[in-house]
Amino acid sequence: DTAVSQTPKYLVTQMGNDKSIKCEQNLGHDTMYWYKQDSKKFLKIMFSYNNKELIINETVPNRFSPKSPDKAHLNLHINSLELGDSAVYFCASSQGTGGYEQYFGPGTRLTVT
Amino acid sequence: DQQVKQNSPSLSVQEGRISILNCDYTNSMFDYFLWYKKYPAEGPTFLISISSIKDKNEDGRFTVFLNKSAKHLSLHIVPSQPGDSAVYFCAASLNTGKLIFGQGTTLQVKP
Repeated sequence: DTAVSQTPKYLVTQMGNDKSIKCEQNLGHDTMYWYKQDSKKFLKIMFSYNNKELIINETVPNRFSPKSPDKAHLNLHINSLELGDSAVYFCASSQGTGGYEQYFGPGTRLTVT
Repeated sequence: DQQVKQNSPSLSVQEGRISILNCDYTNSMFDYFLWYKKYPAEGPTFLISISSIKDKNEDGRFTVFLNKSAKHLSLHIVPSQPGDSAVYFCAASLNTGKLIFGQGTTLQVKP
């Protein structure tokens, strides 16, 4: 059983389109995250939800909107895609907030052409 | 402003020897530190962590050392195995759960 899963694994789309990436965890965790790994391989947090409540919102363009329908799911919707959005996006989850390890999904490679 | 730094982009070690990966941080408010291992086209995998109240944590072949006064942590892998070849990220955490990652060190373990 995959602990943290993401779909799709690869996503190729054109500028201006709207796309979503889905994330599900079956670990029973309360907290979920979205990270972006850019072309320089830096992993940076974008959002965090705890019990469906947004607790971390980094300086991310408002074209990015996370949606948490329940504790086990955190989806990422991106409007009006731009070339600079091309990156690998990772979902993660943890048992709580501070002091807990985070478990990552396999990543979604987004390519905007 | 990079709060977590891994100054060695790569490290090559012979199988059976010790691998030492280093990480420096600047924010004294960090209270939890973690090491992740990452293979290509996969997500980071949690390896080992240490709370700021400790100076050492050991799990099998992996040991993490924390020197708070120097704001430095290191990961020791003994003995190193070819399967350990991967990118290793250190990360520091605030109590919000926000993880701040270093830029990674690519470890190559030669048979």
